[in-house]
Amino acid sequence: DQQVKQNSPSLSVQEGRISILNCDYTNSMFDYFLWYKKYPAEGPTFLISISSIKDKNEDGRFTVFLNKSAKHLSLHIVPSQPGDSAVYFCAASGSGGSNYKLTFGKGTLLTVNP
Amino acid sequence: DAGVTQSPTHLIKTRGQQVTLRCSPKSGHDTVSWYQQALGQGPQFIFQYYEEEERQRGNFPDRFSGHQFPNYSSELNVNALLLGDSALYLCASSWGSGQKTQYFGPGTRLLVL
Repeated sequence: DQQVKQNSPSLSVQEGRISILNCDYTNSMFDYFLWYKKYPAEGPTFLISISSIKDKNEDGRFTVFLNKSAKHLSLHIVPSQPGDSAVYFCAASGSGGSNYKLTFGKGTLLTVNP
Repeated sequence: DAGVTQSPTHLIKTRGQQVTLRCSPKSGHDTVSWYQQALGQGPQFIFQYYEEEERQRGNFPDRFSGHQFPNYSSELNVNALLLGDSALYLCASSWGSGQKTQYFGPGTRLLVL
C-alpha cells in the first residue's frame, strides 16, 4: 500500500515557465512534508519542507502548497531552469513520538528544455 | 561544513556473502537513518539509529542489521545477500531532538551477482 503517491512519472517544461509537481498521500497521521531533488549518481538533496500547520512555504524559486483536506501537496518552481532537470521526490513524516522515518513517493522526472 | 559521507561508493558481491556499508553524519547531527532505493522506486526506510540504539525499523528482514558508534557514525550490515538486495543504499542524518528533515549522503551502489 503506497502511502505517498506521485502519479506523474515525468514532466517536461520550457525554460522560464512554471513547473508544478504533484503529490498525494493517504495517511492522515502525516504532519510534515518534504521535497527532495535527485541527480543521477547522487543522493537526494533537500529542497523545501512544510508542516501541516501551514498551507504554503516559499524559498526563492520554490514554493510548496499543502491542501490537507485533499491530502495533496504540490511543488512550484518559478522560473524553471535547465539545471532543475532531475528526479523530484515527495516525502512525508508522521506525528507521534516514535515515528521518525520518511515515506517517499516514486518520484517525478522533471526535464526543463532550453 | 562536511556533509554526509558514505563508503564505499560501489560494491559487487555474490549471493550468500555479507556486506558492510559505512556512513558519517553531517557535522552536528547525532541521528543516522538508512534507506534502500531500488531502480525506479523511492527510498525505503530500513532503520534509524540514535544514541547508539535502533530507534525505529522498517519492513526489512533480520538479515539487515546496523550499528552506531559513539562518534555518531554508523554501519549497515547485510547478511546472506540475495539478488534482490541489489540497490542504492542511502544514509541520512539529522539532529535527534525533533528535527524531521533528513540530509542524505551520495549512497553506496550494491550489485549482487
